[in-house]
Amino acid sequence: AQSVTQLGSHVSVSEGALVLLRCNYSSSVPPYLFWYVQYPNQGLQLLLKYTTGATLVKGINGFEAEFKKSETSFHLTKPSAHMSDAAEYFCAVSPPQGAQKLVFGQGTRLTINP
Amino acid sequence: DAGVTQSPTHLIKTRGQQVTLRCSPISGHKSVSWYQQVLGQGPQFIFQYYEKEERGRGNFPDRFSARQFPNYSSELNVNALLLGDSALYLCASSFPRTGGKETQYFGPGTRLLVL
Repeated sequence: AQSVTQLGSHVSVSEGALVLLRCNYSSSVPPYLFWYVQYPNQGLQLLLKYTTGATLVKGINGFEAEFKKSETSFHLTKPSAHMSDAAEYFCAVSPPQGAQKLVFGQGTRLTINP
Repeated sequence: DAGVTQSPTHLIKTRGQQVTLRCSPISGHKSVSWYQQVLGQGPQFIFQYYEKEERGRGNFPDRFSARQFPNYSSELNVNALLLGDSALYLCASSFPRTGGKETQYFGPGTRLLVL
């Protein structure tokens, strides 16, 4: 069975500071990996995904993530935080075959301090 | 192009009642998945449908059922509602049949409150 652990349910950074949101996964086969963002009272929006190929993935809004197989991690980073980045962030994995089933972590609420 | 649409946006029911939630996928998408997001948690997979057939089911009781129509829209039904069914129900659509590679695009959700 696949599972996702997001370290830190709440992360607070200052505007302009580095954003680092941690995600570790457990899977018997190499999964596909995703980061979604959820703004208040809205659905989920895809930030980026890793399927195959280059392990450093660039997404929207200046975010990027690096797949590290040896560490079973897929941490999300952004060099300089903006007030508009305040939201809930979810890491998710999906099996490479079978049903399109996303397994989500518990989420990390990102707060940006002015 | 319109994204994934869901209706209604909000719903209040009482315990024991039944509810039907609706989802229209992005034009051209043939797969629809349903997720339940309880407050403070990540979404949990309920069902995936493709070409009107169930392709995957999560760990939910038989009170939960769904179907997909020829136009690829979908309905999620929940019978005998419990207080614990209160959640945001998300619908996601994607193009292919199976495999987790393709992006799932989410709708805004239906917020269900069971009293």
